[in-house]
Amino acid sequence: GENVEQHPSTLSVQEGDSAVIKCTYSDSASNYFPWYKQELGKRPQLIIDIRSNVGEKKDQRIAVTLNKTAKHFSLHITETQPEDSAVYFCAARGYDMRFGAGTRLTVKP
Amino acid sequence: DTAVSQTPKYLVTQMGNDKSIKCEQNLGHDTMYWYKQDSKKFLKIMFSYNNKELIINETVPNRFSPKSPDKAHLNLHINSLELGDSAVYFCASSQDEVNEQFFGPGTRLTVL
Repeated sequence: GENVEQHPSTLSVQEGDSAVIKCTYSDSASNYFPWYKQELGKRPQLIIDIRSNVGEKKDQRIAVTLNKTAKHFSLHITETQPEDSAVYFCAARGYDMRFGAGTRLTVKP
Repeated sequence: DTAVSQTPKYLVTQMGNDKSIKCEQNLGHDTMYWYKQDSKKFLKIMFSYNNKELIINETVPNRFSPKSPDKAHLNLHINSLELGDSAVYFCASSQDEVNEQFFGPGTRLTVL
C-alpha cells in the first residue's frame, strides 16, 4: 500500500516568514494529493489539493508543488500569521488515502 | 447546518465492552470513511466505503466493523474494547475517492 513520509515533524517560524513542509510517497499510481490543517481540538480541514496532472497550484498565501518523477510534494505558506499555527497533514491517494505523520507549525508573533 | 456529524462526542467505557459510534453526512456524498487519530496525532484510515465496495485497512483488527444502513450513514461498531483503542475517531465523506474529504467533529474514545 501507499506509504507517505512527512518532514519536518515540528516547525517554528517568526510571523511573516515562510514555512515549507515536504512529503514523499511510494505508490507511483497515486493521483490526488490533499493538504489538511488541524487546529487544536478541531477536525482536519482541507486547505489545498493538487492532482497528478498539475505541477503547482496556488491559493493566496498557500501553494503546493508536485514532482511526480521524484514522488514528492510540498506545501509552501508565505507571510505566515499566528493563526496559521496548527498541525498540517499531507496525504496521497493510491489504493486508499494515506496521511503523513503531521507537522506541528508554530508561528511566533 | 452540519455537513458531517458524529455521536457521541465523548465515550468513556470499560475494557471488554462493545460500543458504537454513529456518523451521518448530509452532503449527498457517495463515499464515507473512518479514521483513527492516536495520542501522537497520527491519522490512520480504517475503512473507506461506498455503495459498491468496502476497503479495509489491513492493520485494523476484526473487532472493528463498519455498518452502513444507507448512503448517508456509516456507523462504527467495536467489540471487546481494549486499552489501545483509546483515540479520537473521525468520520469523513467525499463525493468520490479523489475529491476533498469532509471530516466530522471526532469522537474521543477512552477505554478504562
